[in-house]
Amino acid sequence: GQNIDQPTEMTATEGAIVQINCTYQTSGFNGLFWYQQHAGEAPTFLSYNVLDGLEEKGRFSSFLSRSKGYSYLLLKELQMKDSASYLCAVMDSNYQLIWGAGTKLIIKP
Amino acid sequence: IAGITQAPTSQILAAGRRMTLRCTQDMRHNAMYWYRQDLGLGLRLIHYSNTAGTTGKGEVPDGYSVSRANTDDFPLTLASAVPSQTSVYFCASSPQGNTEAFFGQGTRLTVV
Repeated sequence: GQNIDQPTEMTATEGAIVQINCTYQTSGFNGLFWYQQHAGEAPTFLSYNVLDGLEEKGRFSSFLSRSKGYSYLLLKELQMKDSASYLCAVMDSNYQLIWGAGTKLIIKP
Repeated sequence: IAGITQAPTSQILAAGRRMTLRCTQDMRHNAMYWYRQDLGLGLRLIHYSNTAGTTGKGEVPDGYSVSRANTDDFPLTLASAVPSQTSVYFCASSPQGNTEAFFGQGTRLTVV
């Protein structure tokens, strides 16, 4: 079966760095997405990785290792507004997105 | 404002009633999707459409139907609602199947 695993909840301190991991097992691979979702709101796109390596976009970076079925989202200089759920999703061989349950990130002052 | 709009924002529905959730986008995206999001579970695909005139079943299609008469609209119908369909429903669109998706604000549906 297809499976996306990510931690349920993480806590970090304002100004610090946090890494949210995602492992996946899917039928085929056409890219991995990270989305941010604030409570009661819609998911919004953060990043897309299809090749191995690190993609940096401001305070957020995303890493992919296809051979290990592994990705992480790195958030630097954490701000209170970064408190949200972070969703990992993999596009399978049929170009359908398979979603993880999301990681709730709590930022403390 | 360009984007994707869902209606209604929330609804309480009696079991057995028929309900259509509306979704409209003005970005001329080819692909559209309906997801449900339940606590502790990832987004689950109900139905999708890769282009106007075509639809396909996702992971959890039972009890739901869709149509795609034109590029902009993708309504989701619950023929006879049941309590297990209580959920938050998100409509999304993307320019084509392998690109980022843009989400509507969601419809919170409670079936009692």
